[in-house]
Amino acid sequence: QQQVKQSPQSLIVQKGGIPIINCAYENTAFDYFPWYQQFPGKGPALLIAIRPDVSEKKEGRFTISFNKSAKQFSLHIMDSQPGDSATYFCAVGGRSYNTDKLIFGTGTRLQVFP
Amino acid sequence: DAGVIQSPRHEVTEMGQEVTLRCKPISGHNSLFWYRQTMMRGLELLIYFNNNVPIDDSGMPEDRFSAKMPNATFSTLKIQPSEPRDSAVYFCASSINRGSSYEQYFGPGTRLTVT
Repeated sequence: QQQVKQSPQSLIVQKGGIPIINCAYENTAFDYFPWYQQFPGKGPALLIAIRPDVSEKKEGRFTISFNKSAKQFSLHIMDSQPGDSATYFCAVGGRSYNTDKLIFGTGTRLQVFP
Repeated sequence: DAGVIQSPRHEVTEMGQEVTLRCKPISGHNSLFWYRQTMMRGLELLIYFNNNVPIDDSGMPEDRFSAKMPNATFSTLKIQPSEPRDSAVYFCASSINRGSSYEQYFGPGTRLTVT
């Protein structure tokens, strides 16, 4: 049972472009929606997270858009840079889910070319 | 803070051998997670502990895998006997359930190759 679906699997953009990565979830009990960033040879690291009481959250060039009714959320990277090339994972979890664990999406490999 | 510490960073072993992966969580964190990452299956949660007690081991693939957390500063993931299909990167992560924060801090991973 796949509780979170992430797309696309890979993404190639030019520097300055705005890559968008999407995630859809099924269980309305989730109330915590983070995005993790992973560079080659490293463990994933939290990039930005959102709660369902807001529709958008921005941190620097990274923005999460959240659509509660559609059970979808997305990551937008403004003015993308080659240093943003990494694998991005969405995840779902939270207290309403009655556990500390996160369920991760399958990942999106982003390549930003100069 | 040194972050989550995992050892060894790389492990190459022959099929049938026992493999033990080690993890030291961040001091003060009360939850610990073991993940496996492969190209085919992505990032899979194997087991997680809260206050040293296993809470959910539904992701453990089979009886060949076992995990322990004897105290708040140390956890092991053991594979016995190992098989080539166990080849993957194994991550340990820790977190502290403080209010609304569920951030998990990942270690650098152990790359396991079983020949």
